[in-house]
Amino acid sequence: EAGVVQSPRYKIIEKKQPVAFWCNPISGHNTLYWYRQNLGQGPELLIRYENEEAVDDSQLPKDRFSAERLKGVDSTLKIQPAELGDSAVYLCASSLDQGGTMVVDTQYFGPGTRLTVL
Amino acid sequence: GENVEQHPSTLSVQEGDSAVIKCTYSDSASNYFPWYKQELGKGPQLIIDIRSNVGEKKDQRIAVTLNKTAKHFSLHITETQPEDSAVYFCGGATNKLIFGTGTLLAVQP
Repeated sequence: EAGVVQSPRYKIIEKKQPVAFWCNPISGHNTLYWYRQNLGQGPELLIRYENEEAVDDSQLPKDRFSAERLKGVDSTLKIQPAELGDSAVYLCASSLDQGGTMVVDTQYFGPGTRLTVL
Repeated sequence: GENVEQHPSTLSVQEGDSAVIKCTYSDSASNYFPWYKQELGKGPQLIIDIRSNVGEKKDQRIAVTLNKTAKHFSLHITETQPEDSAVYFCGGATNKLIFGTGTLLAVQP
């Protein structure tokens, strides 16, 4: 079974330029997450989708970041314009909503996109 | 909201020894505690997880223990091997997964 797929793996851009990251979750997983991981830190949630709906985007800097998951499968995260402080690894994860009382399901991560803003 | 603290930040052991990484959490409502291993240039890989209705879980050389009263949980790796060298992250969750700051484990051959 294929894991979470992300592209590109690496991206170098100049500040003020736009950038986009793409994620394809594990087949059948209805929940998709975007995380940002700064150097030497753990991942931090940016946005969580359940199917097409963004159910938690409280940590997404909405002035410059946007995300979409139009058909409830793959997703795109965009930054426009990028700033120096956006340099980080952007991770996508997916999980299968098991329902019931256990709200947080096991999450499986992709390899990430390492963004460098010059 | 939830806050997860992880110690130590770095850990060096000799091959064959045991390694223990500890995490504490702040939200008593947290009910899910995963551990991830992250190798250089790769995404985090789930190695074991535990839910709040159990106190211990084991999978071959890896075990996790949970003390809900004290709000802390630990990862135990026995008979360490050089391929165990990586950064390990703990997480705690109610409705959102919060990660610790990571532990760099180095297993010396």
